[in-house]
Amino acid sequence: SSELTQDPAVSVALGQTVRITCQGDSLRGYYASWYQQKPGQAPLLVIYDEKNRPSGIPDRFSGSSSGNTASLTITGAQADDEADYYCNSRDSSGHPPIWVFGGGTKLTVL
Amino acid sequence: QVQLVQSGAEVKKPGASVKVSCKASEYTFTGHYMYWVRQAPGLGLELMGWINPNNGDTNYAQNFQGRVTMTRDTSISTAYMELSRLRSDDTAVYFCARDRGYYYVSGDMDVWGQGTTVTVSS
Repeated sequence: SSELTQDPAVSVALGQTVRITCQGDSLRGYYASWYQQKPGQAPLLVIYDEKNRPSGIPDRFSGSSSGNTASLTITGAQADDEADYYCNSRDSSGHPPIWVFGGGTKLTVL
Repeated sequence: QVQLVQSGAEVKKPGASVKVSCKASEYTFTGHYMYWVRQAPGLGLELMGWINPNNGDTNYAQNFQGRVTMTRDTSISTAYMELSRLRSDDTAVYFCARDRGYYYVSGDMDVWGQGTTVTVSS
C-alpha cells in the first residue's frame, strides 16, 4: 500500500506563513485532502481536491501540489490554527479504492 | 443540521468483539459513503474502511481484513462497525465520517461523528 510522509512537527510565529508538506508516490496521480484536528475533537476537513476549501474554512488556508508532494499553506497563522494536520489521499495500489492518512504534523503557533 | 451521532464508550476484554453505531441525520443517508477511522492514544488517524450505504458494498483496509465488518440499516440511517478478536492495541477512539460526494465516492470526509472510545483491557 502507499504511504504518505509528513514532518512530525512544525512551528510558526503568530501572523507568519507556514507550509505543511505531505510526500507520497500516490500524490502523482491523486489529489490530497487536509484535515485539522484539535485535542479531544474530531478532525475537520480544511482542503479537498488539492486546493478547494469547504464552506466556512478561512481563506488563509490554501493547498497546492507538485510532483509527489502536496502542501497546506496557512498565510497569517492565528493562535487558533495550533493543531495537528493530516493529509489524506487515495492509495494507488488497489481497487476498490482505499485511502490513507499521513502520520500527521503538529503545528505550534509561537 | 447534518450530523453523525455515535454510540457510547465501550470497555471490552481481549478476544471479545465490539460494535459501534453511527446515526446520520439531516441528509440522504444512502447518498454518501461512510468511513470508519480510528485513532489510538497519542497517535495518528488510521482508515479502517468504508461502506456504501446505498448497496452495502464495503472495502476494508488491509490491516483490518478478517476482523472488521461494516454494515448499515437504511431504515434508521445508521452505520455500524464491528471489530472482532480485540487486542489491547485496538484501544482507540473510533470515528465514523461521511464522504463529501453525493452518490459518488470522493475520498473526502466532510462530516465526522464525535468519536467512540473503545478500551480493551483484561
